[in-house]
Amino acid sequence: DADVTQTPRNRITKTGKRIMLECSQTKGHDRMYWYRQDPGLGLQLIYYSFDVKDINKGEISDGYSVSRQAQAKFSLSLESAIPNQTALYFCATSDSRGLGQFFGPGTRLTVL
Amino acid sequence: AQSVAQPEDQVNVAEGNPLTVKCTYSVSGNPYLFWYVQYPNRGLQFLLKYITGDNLVKGSYGFEAEFNKSQTSFHLKKPSALVSDSALYFCAVRDMRDTGTASKLTFGTGTRLQVTL
Repeated sequence: DADVTQTPRNRITKTGKRIMLECSQTKGHDRMYWYRQDPGLGLQLIYYSFDVKDINKGEISDGYSVSRQAQAKFSLSLESAIPNQTALYFCATSDSRGLGQFFGPGTRLTVL
Repeated sequence: AQSVAQPEDQVNVAEGNPLTVKCTYSVSGNPYLFWYVQYPNRGLQFLLKYITGDNLVKGSYGFEAEFNKSQTSFHLKKPSALVSDSALYFCAVRDMRDTGTASKLTFGTGTRLQVTL
């Protein structure tokens, strides 16, 4: 997990606020992903990026945006947070073969 | 579209007994299959994967999984459970034919394993 770091680890915010979650990796992987985890729903893919110039929407991208600032950095933004975005957010990376992903420790986000 | 089903929300096992966590999948082509484990307040950790070859795959912490193409299953097993195995387990699939930007994992909803003394 230390190869993929996420900041902050916990965040409480209010409805309507803009929030940015950051992810950094030292694995040298090209591919990066953002997921959210809700109880009973498993992991749902928000956005993914296969290199710095490539950004793709996942299953649940509405209300989110991302930025791939460098190979090692992939940030997730909530432009105007709403309570149903309260969840655990994970960043993950994989190499170009995509045979398995490595996850960060997660960010617990609470929107009041 | 690819999908994964983990039919049990929770599996309870006594320490020392064998455990099985079930997973079935659906893909158009041949699958790549994965198991991950999540301990409390931690990210997902890779356990094992099936890419090709031997249907019995051995992974971390004494876990193994058997790929069964006819039953489209990839059940996770361990011969002797430990209390420390208690965690949330996720199965994931990727269609082998998908390459480039389409090659992403689909996760199951997770199975909570509870091992008691």
